[in-house]
Amino acid sequence: EPEVTQTPSHQVTQMGQEVILRCVPISNHLYFYWYRQILGQKVEFLVSFYNNEISEKSEIFDDQFSVERPDGSNFTLKIRSTKLEDSAMYFCASRPLRRPPYGYTFGSGTRLTVV
Amino acid sequence: DAKTTQPNSMESNEEEPVHLPCNHSTISGTDYIHWYRQLPSQGPEYVIHGLTSNVNNRMASLAIAEDRKSSTLILHRATLRDAAVYYCILRAADGSSNTGKLIFGQGTTLQVKP
Repeated sequence: EPEVTQTPSHQVTQMGQEVILRCVPISNHLYFYWYRQILGQKVEFLVSFYNNEISEKSEIFDDQFSVERPDGSNFTLKIRSTKLEDSAMYFCASRPLRRPPYGYTFGSGTRLTVV
Repeated sequence: DAKTTQPNSMESNEEEPVHLPCNHSTISGTDYIHWYRQLPSQGPEYVIHGLTSNVNNRMASLAIAEDRKSSTLILHRATLRDAAVYYCILRAADGSSNTGKLIFGQGTTLQVKP
């Protein structure tokens, strides 16, 4: 079955550093999402992306965050200046065309540890 | 987004059926009922979804009440690999104000005993 691929699986960074989390969504999917999950807490929506622009973002997704689809296959999440509270699992997800809602496919996640 | 209510945890014995309930009394007519599960240390995984009629797939069955205010995910024969957190999520049909995000609750943690 097609997969959403995320790299790296684990990233350790120093507070204040920039990180880029990478995702390769399924090739014929057109909607892309980032979610995060702080250890022991709920999965939280960060941002949705369609037609090369952000379609919705949550309150968590402040000016420190940005997303990009630079080359038609990768979908990246950048955190400009990481804080300790950014430590979490970050999941990328994608889904196909706007029709009866098909299931979303999630990646296995990137564990971000900010020290 | 309409809210759902699920029990915090449930236990099952291996090879027995499991019925995971979900209440969604404020569901609107265009909301689809989605179920996802999250195995330990993995991303959420799509299980099944439905609108009004009961649905079956290779993973599970979804039974939807006639008034749509509740639904039940049925795992026909639980295995140890089915131990996970199961999320019942309502998602509105696509539209200008809906970007398709999923709102996760706490879900039901399913333990499967050998």
